[in-house]
Amino acid sequence: AQSVTQPDIHITVSEGASLELRCNYSYGATPYLFWYVQSPGQGLQLLLKYFSGDTLVQGIKGFEAEFKRSQSSFNLRKPSVHWSDAAEYFCAVGANTGNQFYFGTGTSLTVIP
Amino acid sequence: NAGVTQTPKFQVLKTGQSMTLQCAQDMNHEYMSWYRQDPGMGLRLIHYSVGAGITDQGEVPNGYNVSRSTTEDFPLRLLSAAPSQTSVYFCASRYWGGNTGELFFGEGSRLTVL
Repeated sequence: AQSVTQPDIHITVSEGASLELRCNYSYGATPYLFWYVQSPGQGLQLLLKYFSGDTLVQGIKGFEAEFKRSQSSFNLRKPSVHWSDAAEYFCAVGANTGNQFYFGTGTSLTVIP
Repeated sequence: NAGVTQTPKFQVLKTGQSMTLQCAQDMNHEYMSWYRQDPGMGLRLIHYSVGAGITDQGEVPNGYNVSRSTTEDFPLRLLSAAPSQTSVYFCASRYWGGNTGELFFGEGSRLTVL
């Protein structure tokens, strides 16, 4: 069965510290992977996506993610977190022409000044 | 660019009332979908469509109805609202086919059923 697991419900980091949000997936076909960010009261904005090629992908706002097929993971990283990064982060998996995307339950990020 | 537009942003209903959440996109996307977002459950797919006249059920379709008469619009109807349908609803669209893949989301519609 297709699924996405985000093990961390909530993470708190200090401003300027590094960040890693975990994402593991189960998907029968070649996965297309995504990270979205949701600020309070807003819709979901795409941070980055992986389709093929280089397993380290760069996104907006200084985020990057690494696809590790052997670990079925697609973890999101940022070297230095800013207070404006406080938000909910969702990992998702889908196919190029598949009918469905599968979303994780999200990780809420709090940034301490 | 407007992208995906949802209306209304907020709505309060009484149990048993009906209403329609509107969704429109101006990106000529074939694929459109509705999700609901509940605390601790992420996003769950309600219904989706891959083109005008074509709709199908997602993970949680009960109590909801959809139709797709044009490429641009994909309304979601609640026929008889129940408190369990209190949620935040998101419309999302994407290209169908080709190597793009990501979903584009509206800003959401917060529905409360009393």
